[in-house]
Amino acid sequence: DAGVIQSPRHEVTEMGQEVTLRCKPISGHDYLFWYRQTMMRGLELLIYFNNNVPIDDSGMPEDRFSAKMPNASFSTLKIQPSEPRDSAVYFCASSQTSGGAEKNEQFFGPGTRLTVL
Amino acid sequence: DAKTTQPNSMESNEEEPVHLPCNHSTISGTDYIHWYRQLPSQGPEYVIHGLTSNVNNRMASLAIAEDRKSSTLILHRATLRDAAVYYCILTLPYTGTASKLTFGTGTRLQVTL
Repeated sequence: DAGVIQSPRHEVTEMGQEVTLRCKPISGHDYLFWYRQTMMRGLELLIYFNNNVPIDDSGMPEDRFSAKMPNASFSTLKIQPSEPRDSAVYFCASSQTSGGAEKNEQFFGPGTRLTVL
Repeated sequence: DAKTTQPNSMESNEEEPVHLPCNHSTISGTDYIHWYRQLPSQGPEYVIHGLTSNVNNRMASLAIAEDRKSSTLILHRATLRDAAVYYCILTLPYTGTASKLTFGTGTRLQVTL
């Protein structure tokens, strides 16, 4: 398996522009997580989905952020409009609940480094 | 959520064992102890987890104190590739929904020749 795939790997944009980050989870995984990592705040969970349904979005910073999962193999995280403080590395992770659910192992993608100028 | 406390950084020589401590004095009886690590410029990866008994896998060992208020991740022979930030995380048992991972600041492990 190719693992969790994220695109783009790097994104540089200007303040006010719309940014869309993409994630393809591992096939067969029924949970998908979006995290953000900054030096100041560390690694934070933004939102997670189960079977394509958002379960907990309490970590989404504000209305400028939205996430969708139209099918089991694709998810997007959109920021509109973007601001310099959104600059961070955004990680997508997936996991499955069958077979050793207590293990709670999440598989992370390589991340998207976002820079908002 | 129960909190964990880890040293900010540790150093080790290559080929030597490393003991990474984690304090979790407010752990509940059903919390699992998970360890993840994040190599430079990569996403975190699972290392090991346990509940009450010590655990071993191909990557590391996890020693859990009898009162469960602390645990230690043991790398038996550190290599340069083990240089990473190591996170100790408490999670609730699976009850039909995935447990959220709450990452703290972790311990940055440096491995030198």
